Amino acid sequence: GENVEQHPSTLSVQEGDSAVIKCTYSDSASNYFPWYKQELGKGPQLIIDIRSNVGEKKDQRIAVTLNKTAKHFSLHITETQPEDSAVYFCAASPSGAGSYQLTFGKGTKLSVIP
Amino acid sequence: EPEVTQTPSHQVTQMGQEVILRCVPISNHLYFYWYRQILGQKVEFLVSFYNNEISEKSEIFDDQFSVERPDGSNFTLKIRSTKLEDSAMYFCASRGTPLHTGELFFGEGSRLTVL
Repeated sequence: GENVEQHPSTLSVQEGDSAVIKCTYSDSASNYFPWYKQELGKGPQLIIDIRSNVGEKKDQRIAVTLNKTAKHFSLHITETQPEDSAVYFCAASPSGAGSYQLTFGKGTKLSVIP
Repeated sequence: EPEVTQTPSHQVTQMGQEVILRCVPISNHLYFYWYRQILGQKVEFLVSFYNNEISEKSEIFDDQFSVERPDGSNFTLKIRSTKLEDSAMYFCASRGTPLHTGELFFGEGSRLTVL
């Protein structure tokens, strides 16, 4: 089955700096890679996703890059703000019909210091 | 904005007791999921459900677990005889039907504490 590794487990940045979180996956059949943000006491919320036919995707301060050959993908947050503080999870899934069994990484606790 | 709702938000039970966790997925969604998260650990897939049957399940989802969609709106997870290690946050999620839409919408979770 799929195995997703995520680094770092914790990350502290100064407000305004950039944050980068990296993930690797093992199953070459995976072609859908979402990133979730989980705030304390809440469920994971999708913030951005990317499919294997795309190398990079950007949404305002958030971007995701994918290297399918190397089987890794990364989340980039620029101009970080205190409200970006949360646990971020990467995930991978094959996107065939009826699937979307997401395999999550272990999470990265991001702290943005004002 | 449509959302997945879960009840109860927190349940405390004695080991060996049966527990039912309830979820109301987003109304036009057809794929339903249960995930769990043991405190401080990653979110783990339990089971997916489509067209009134289980489509995939993980090794965690053993004979003690079952899912049901008893009516057109609710999706339930039953744990027949709870164990201490079942203590976790259980998340329900749902997904819409288009083949290439992958977004899972998660509920806020039900925290289960087994004593």
